[in-house]
Amino acid sequence: GAGVSQSPSNKVTEKGKDVELRCDPISGHTALYWYRQSLGQGLEFLIYFQGNSAPDKSGLPSDRFSAERTGGSVSTLTIQRTQQEDSAVYLCASSPLRASGGYTDTQYFGPGTRLTVL
Amino acid sequence: GDSVTQMEGPVTLSEEAFLTINCTYTATGYPSLFWYVQYPGEGLQLLLKATKADDKGSNKGFEATYRKETTSFHLEKGSVQVSDSAVYFCALLILTGGGNKLTFGTGTQLKVEL
Repeated sequence: GAGVSQSPSNKVTEKGKDVELRCDPISGHTALYWYRQSLGQGLEFLIYFQGNSAPDKSGLPSDRFSAERTGGSVSTLTIQRTQQEDSAVYLCASSPLRASGGYTDTQYFGPGTRLTVL
Repeated sequence: GDSVTQMEGPVTLSEEAFLTINCTYTATGYPSLFWYVQYPGEGLQLLLKATKADDKGSNKGFEATYRKETTSFHLEKGSVQVSDSAVYFCALLILTGGGNKLTFGTGTQLKVEL
């Protein structure tokens, strides 16, 4: 079946511009995660959505970063007034519910969006 | 807080050599442990996992055993191939009511040469 998809695959923007990154999770997966992979910081958690609950935003690095998930499926990560240090690969992952309820521990990753801020 | 430490790379091996990539962790609870692999130009893929002490995860000839006494989850393969060249990430996750985020190590690049 289809995996996690992300768009665009590459984004080049100028400092100060806003960008939107999109993630389509695996169909039926109720948990969705955003991570960032950068040379200086490695792989770091940004935000986590689970069902209809309030998202865990504890990893967002500044208030310029926000994310939403519409209809429990597609998610958009928005970065306002981009800075050069925002340059990174932004990864999205999703995971399903267990048959008995609760979340599984396996996350399935998309190919990422490479963001370059000039 | 939770953290993962893995050996720095790059690790360069000849084909058919034995591979070990060390990984140790610090966690406040009882984590599940993972190895993810990132092949050149591709996204992160789950390689193997273990969910409790003494469990052994295995896939594609790779193995790792969850050692609670040494808080380790070292990745091993008996005979590497050129196609194993990739970056390997050790990670942990503690399932809670919320915040099921993966905590990753810094990654270890493996280069396998003929």
